[in-house]
Order: sequence, then C-alpha cells, then structure tokens
Amino acid sequence: NAGVTQTPKFRVLKTGQSMTLLCAQDMNHEYMYWYRQDPGMGLRLIHYSVGEGTTAKGEVPDGYNVSRLKKQNFLLGLESAAPSQTSVYFCASSYGGGYTQYFGPGTRLTVL
Amino acid sequence: QQQVKQSPQSLIVQKGGISIINCAYENTAFDYFPWYQQFPGKGPALLIAIRPDVSEKKEGRFTISFNKSAKQFSLHIMDSQPGDSATYFCAPLWGNTGKLIFGQGTTLQVKP
Repeated sequence: NAGVTQTPKFRVLKTGQSMTLLCAQDMNHEYMYWYRQDPGMGLRLIHYSVGEGTTAKGEVPDGYNVSRLKKQNFLLGLESAAPSQTSVYFCASSYGGGYTQYFGPGTRLTVL
Repeated sequence: QQQVKQSPQSLIVQKGGISIINCAYENTAFDYFPWYQQFPGKGPALLIAIRPDVSEKKEGRFTISFNKSAKQFSLHIMDSQPGDSATYFCAPLWGNTGKLIFGQGTTLQVKP
C-alpha cells in the first residue's frame, strides 16, 4: 500500500497563476484533510471532506477551493496564487473522524 | 478561536536524558489529546494519544501526562535517543469530524 501520496512534491508559481494539488489515498478512508504548515505556526486546517462528494471549510479556507469527486482523491486548488500562500501543504486521511490521521509527504509551494 | 499553546519552541537534550514538552489548551470540549512526531521532509505521524478521563498513558519510552483541571498535557520521552530528534506537535481533537488543533511545534535535538 502506498498510503497517502501527494503530487507534485515541489512547485514554484508566479503571483496570479493557478494550480491544483492532488492527494490520493489507497486505504479506503472516508475523511480527508488539507493542511498548510508555516514556521512557528504548526499545521492549520484549510478544508476537509467527510466523504465522497462532500467538502467543508477549515480554519484558513480563503484563497483555496477543494473537490472530492472520488473517494480516494482530494484536490486542492489555488485560483490566483499570492505570496502569502507560500507554504508546505500536507494532505491527510482517516477512517473516521478520530485523532489518527495519516499524512502524505507534503508539497512545498513557493509563490513569487 | 480555539487556542493550543505549546512549549518550549526548541529543546536540546543529551542522549539518555528526559525530554519534556508541554501543551496548554483553552477549549474544554476537546475529545482526545494526541501527540504527533514529524521528521524533516516528512509528514507528521501519530505518536501517542490519551483520553481526557485518564491521567497518564505510557507506550515504551513515551508517556503522556494529563492534568484536566489545569488544562495541560505533556509528553515525556525517557532515555532520549538521537533518533528521537524531530519536531513534536500536540494536536487535541475537537468534534467528530477529525479536526485536530495543532500546537506551534517543538523541535527536539538529542545530542549523542
């Protein structure tokens, strides 16, 4: 099992460009999450999904959109990237809404 | 806004020593109190967790101490090893949708 995978691993964008981050999990988990990690701030929840076709806002949703068309995939989109979105993005999944989440390796995004 | 305050920000311990990381919270509605471990370039991984009706939980060299009245919980790493060098996050669970509220993180360095 690959667990949770994220594509791409690194990306550099110019201000105003758009992109999509892909998260895939092969554990048949219902719940999936997108976080961003910034120095000294821990991880902050951007959006999450409690099942296929559902999405909900987390703590810092502004500037991001998500879609969960298939149970195994959770996409994070940036429509118009800003330098403030420079961060490391982590996807996670869990079987239920418990404290055990499985994280991907992360995507390092730089917005110039 | 739910707040979780973690201390210290960084910690240096000699091999064989005890590492102690603290977490203070405000929200009394948290359901579980996990600690996550993150190695450089990797995503966080669950290390150990405790229920709010238990005062202490031990797994190998790792122990969580929980003080409900003080709204604090701490991670103790006994006989610290260089392989324990990582960033540690407390991440209390809120609600039934898997919302983890991450602390700011503690970078632990264990010197040989």
